[in-house]
Amino acid sequence: DIQMTQSPSSLSASVGDRVTITCRSSQSIITSLNWYQQRPGKAPKLLIYAASSLQSGVPSRFSGSGSGTDFTLTISSLLPEDFATYYCQQSYSTPSTFGQGTKLEIK
Amino acid sequence: QVQLQQSGPRLVKPSQTLSLTCAISGDSVSSNSASWNWIRQSPSRGLEWLGRTYYRSKWYNDYAVSVKGRITINPDTSKNQFSLQLNSVTPEDTAVYYCVRDNWNFLGSRGFDPWGQGTLVTVSS
Repeated sequence: DIQMTQSPSSLSASVGDRVTITCRSSQSIITSLNWYQQRPGKAPKLLIYAASSLQSGVPSRFSGSGSGTDFTLTISSLLPEDFATYYCQQSYSTPSTFGQGTKLEIK
Repeated sequence: QVQLQQSGPRLVKPSQTLSLTCAISGDSVSSNSASWNWIRQSPSRGLEWLGRTYYRSKWYNDYAVSVKGRITINPDTSKNQFSLQLNSVTPEDTAVYYCVRDNWNFLGSRGFDPWGQGTLVTVSS
């Protein structure tokens, strides 16, 4: 199985900050990488698919980049509703696997 | 707008079978451009993909090795839904279970979207 490793595991930031979350895969997954946001008690929500494509309805302050084994999710200017947990997921091969999550907290 | 609505018991006894159903609206379980998945989430295992069913001229299934032999995912075209059965459950199977669509195009997966509302299933006597 492909292992997905996110860093950091947790992150403290302030409203208006620019933040970047990193995801690394144990082998090349080309651009088959998706990002999700999960708020407490809710299902994950798709933000970015295919490494850099913004899902319909997702604000443009979210962006993704990367290819091969290294990927990033960037939030350009944090809003209060962005404080949540973020997950990466590879869709390159079965079984699909997720990172362990990055919890974004208010500083 | 595609929506997934889950149903099923929230408490299952050890050694028994966990059964959940996911009703689809706004899409078809027989779609040639989607797969229908079950994913669970627990503090100890994180987000864990369990398996999927999909139709490409015939029905296919894939299952995670961790549950293979205990899991069955079945489509029901008459009700436009799909189901999860997990046999011989133990307390380690306690988790929030989600049904999820994986939408595909010619470039590949477009990610898991949408997700069902989630069902916390507790395995306990």
